[in-house]
Amino acid sequence: ELKVEQNPLFLSMQEGKNYTIYCNYSTTSDRLYWYRQDPGKSLESLFVLLSNGAVKQEGRLMASLDTKARLSTLHITAAVHDLSATYFCAVRSTSGTYKYIFGTGTRLKVLA
Amino acid sequence: DAGVIQSPRHEVTEMGQEVTLRCKPISGHNSLFWYRQTMMRGLELLIYFNNNVPIDDSGMPEDRFSAKMPNASFSTLKIQPSEPRDSAVYFCASSPGLTGETQYFGPGTRLLVL
Repeated sequence: ELKVEQNPLFLSMQEGKNYTIYCNYSTTSDRLYWYRQDPGKSLESLFVLLSNGAVKQEGRLMASLDTKARLSTLHITAAVHDLSATYFCAVRSTSGTYKYIFGTGTRLKVLA
Repeated sequence: DAGVIQSPRHEVTEMGQEVTLRCKPISGHNSLFWYRQTMMRGLELLIYFNNNVPIDDSGMPEDRFSAKMPNASFSTLKIQPSEPRDSAVYFCASSPGLTGETQYFGPGTRLLVL
């Protein structure tokens, strides 16, 4: 079964702290995506990771990919309230026709 | 750029009625995706098209659901007849192609079936 698992599902953290969200997937994949969703809103693309060892950074967010371990991480540095949102990872499966599978999402709340 | 456009933004209907959701992808994008989001099942890919051709519809829940893309700038997702368990937010997304670029999501249609 094609699965994408994220943990934690919920994360409450203080401003200024660092934390990491983990994304594990069970299928062969050639793309790993991170999206952000604010409550009641649509999804906004954050990163697309293409290859093993890929690292991308935007502001306080940094994403990395280990294709051998089938693991991606989204690291948050010195969190601020504006980062409060739900973060999804997704993979493009290369088994058969492409399938795009989303993780369960991690709801992040940054406390002032 | 106007982004992906979806209509209606909200739809309330009664069980048994036909529902049609509409999507206009970003101009120049060749791939279009329909997703459904619920609290119980999360985000699910229903179907996607490339160059107006359906590539994978394995996520379509049952025969009550159908999707078409008659041209590069328009797609519909139809539910007939609708049931309360179809209540969800339906997102349309587009991307330049199927080479794995990011997908750009529309604002979604919030569907409530009574």
